Amino acid sequence: NAGVTQTPKFQVLKTGQSMTLQCAQDMNHEYMSWYRQDPGMGLRLIHYSVGAGITDQGEVPNGYNVSRSTTEDFPLRLLSAAPSQTSVYFCASSYSGTDNQPQHFGDGTRLSIL
Amino acid sequence: DAKTTQPPSMDCAEGRAANLPCNHSTISGNEYVYWYRQIHSQGPQYIIHGLKNNETNEMASLIITEDRKSSTLILPHATLRDTAVYYCIVRVLGQGAQKLVFGQGTRLTINP
Repeated sequence: NAGVTQTPKFQVLKTGQSMTLQCAQDMNHEYMSWYRQDPGMGLRLIHYSVGAGITDQGEVPNGYNVSRSTTEDFPLRLLSAAPSQTSVYFCASSYSGTDNQPQHFGDGTRLSIL
Repeated sequence: DAKTTQPPSMDCAEGRAANLPCNHSTISGNEYVYWYRQIHSQGPQYIIHGLKNNETNEMASLIITEDRKSSTLILPHATLRDTAVYYCIVRVLGQGAQKLVFGQGTRLTINP
């Protein structure tokens, strides 16, 4: 019963490098989202998807791209990493974007940009 | 989404009931109350949610006042593993982003 799986757990990048944070869920959830958590800031929504082929921006989308080619996977791409993107990234999923079912979170990816 | 107010920290003895309060005085009729917790640096863990009736599951109970302006999360027999930051969130359902606004939460410490 894997739930939401995020890889890698830790990553160090140099400024300007690119990388993809992976998120996969095995619960057949339609809704998936990415948050970042910074000290004293709580979680902030980056991007979300209400189903395969559909994505939209959250409150802090700049510097990040997403795509949703399958129901299971929702990768987050950093095209040119900046020190301001040092953070802990969480992926979450739920059945749909319109019901009251809770979101389930992965254990996060801790990203440091040097 | 309505704002919530929680005490920054609480202590509870192991084996006792932990009662965590949350004020959401501006909640509207279609907003649900959700509780999550975050243990150390793990991902937020869903605990329970409700609209206006009291709810209970295997982890906790949720008591919502009749006017829905406040609620209490009850962990009936707290253990050391319940030490975490607990977040009370209100959210309206609808299309689009299911944005969960996590405030500062309550840091609950369970003492042996």
